[in-house]
Amino acid sequence: SQQGEEDPQALSIQEGENATMNCSYKTSINNLQWYRQNSGRGLVHLILIRSNEREKHSGRLRVTLDTSKKSSSLLITASRAADTASYFCATDTSSGYSTLTFGKGTMLLVSP
Amino acid sequence: NAGVTQTPKFQVLKTGQSMTLQCAQDMNHEYMSWYRQDPGMGLRLIHYSVGAGITDQGEVPNGYNVSRSTTEDFPLRLLSAAPSQTSVYFCASSGAGYDEQFFGPGTRLTVL
Repeated sequence: SQQGEEDPQALSIQEGENATMNCSYKTSINNLQWYRQNSGRGLVHLILIRSNEREKHSGRLRVTLDTSKKSSSLLITASRAADTASYFCATDTSSGYSTLTFGKGTMLLVSP
Repeated sequence: NAGVTQTPKFQVLKTGQSMTLQCAQDMNHEYMSWYRQDPGMGLRLIHYSVGAGITDQGEVPNGYNVSRSTTEDFPLRLLSAAPSQTSVYFCASSGAGYDEQFFGPGTRLTVL
């Protein structure tokens, strides 16, 4: 069963605009991770936020986590056409080695 | 480093045939896993391994076998292929103490 659910399913914006994607999950987590997948390619890890963290930044990426609402958001600032991809949140609820449960993803299209 | 490699990239099988999807990593990662990705479903965990000789089932293990005889390799066997196994298969690995996973480029499998 899907632990994380992204919203929206699809997002279309212009270059330079910000893109915000949301993820909701059902059970307590150790950490939440965001991955990017370009069409036909493997997933690439973007950022990880632990359950005791509320916000994290990496370059143009900002992730927030609200454990009371069981939700996270990924903000991409000043989007570029190269950001066009699908974005997945993945929750880690295991102890020891990471066992991830992925959401269905948000498809982001950034137009020049 | 090549990272995580998968072969073949594409495969077409007939119902009832068997085959092995290969996965190898050169990062000395202890943890390896197999996911399948279906349209609109995100990634679902099939099997995973926390070290040589140790494997366990994920969310959707039926119809698949795995073994882990070396740290580097983690093959996925389809015993008797069914059309429901048509999917894109991803292998991933992560190192001890690290939570992010590194993904291979995927194998696109079609079962007729």
